[in-house]
Amino acid sequence: AQKVTQAQTEISVVEKEDVTLDCVYETRDTTYYLFWYKQPPSGELVFLIRRNSFDEQNEISGRYSWNFQKSTSSFNFTITASQVVDSAVYFCALRVVFGNEKLTFGTGTRLTIIP
Amino acid sequence: EPEVTQTPSHQVTQMGQEVILRCVPISNHLYFYWYRQILGQKVEFLVSFYNNEISEKSEIFDDQFSVERPDGSNFTLKIRSTKLEDSAMYFCASTLRGRADNQPQHFGDGTRLSIL
Repeated sequence: AQKVTQAQTEISVVEKEDVTLDCVYETRDTTYYLFWYKQPPSGELVFLIRRNSFDEQNEISGRYSWNFQKSTSSFNFTITASQVVDSAVYFCALRVVFGNEKLTFGTGTRLTIIP
Repeated sequence: EPEVTQTPSHQVTQMGQEVILRCVPISNHLYFYWYRQILGQKVEFLVSFYNNEISEKSEIFDDQFSVERPDGSNFTLKIRSTKLEDSAMYFCASTLRGRADNQPQHFGDGTRLSIL
């Protein structure tokens, strides 16, 4: 069985500060995919990034960056120079390649950016 | 950019009534999913559907639930006799390929189901 843990339930930072959202996962499978989704107050789920288990390169996209460390089973997400529009719930999710297709989500981190 | 669309955005139903939630997946996608999110909780997998049959379902997806692709574009979730605990946001998702593929599942905006 797979498990995703997002230990930070809620985080508040002042605008323009950097913030890191933690994600730790568990799986016995050696091949899997990791994802981050954003859920703004309007409720929809917005895909942000995916990462393959065999690709440990970190990725940067504008103000967003992701740090994947297989050794610690972590896939952390950093927002630099945060903005009020970043306020949302962020979910980390895992899908194994073989055996099933479902996404296993973490419990989410509610991020509030204070103007 | 193509989207997954869900209707209605909000459904209010009396307990015990049947409800059908509708989804139009992205047109060339082949794999379809339903998830639910009870208010303030995490998103939970319900069922996946491919080639006109269920490919996987969770323990939540009991006999009260069914899915159908009645035509070439719609994908529906039916709850036969709703219970109070069925109140949740229901998300439909689709992807071009399943299993050994890293394409993300694209989610609709969700249907908020309220059972009275």
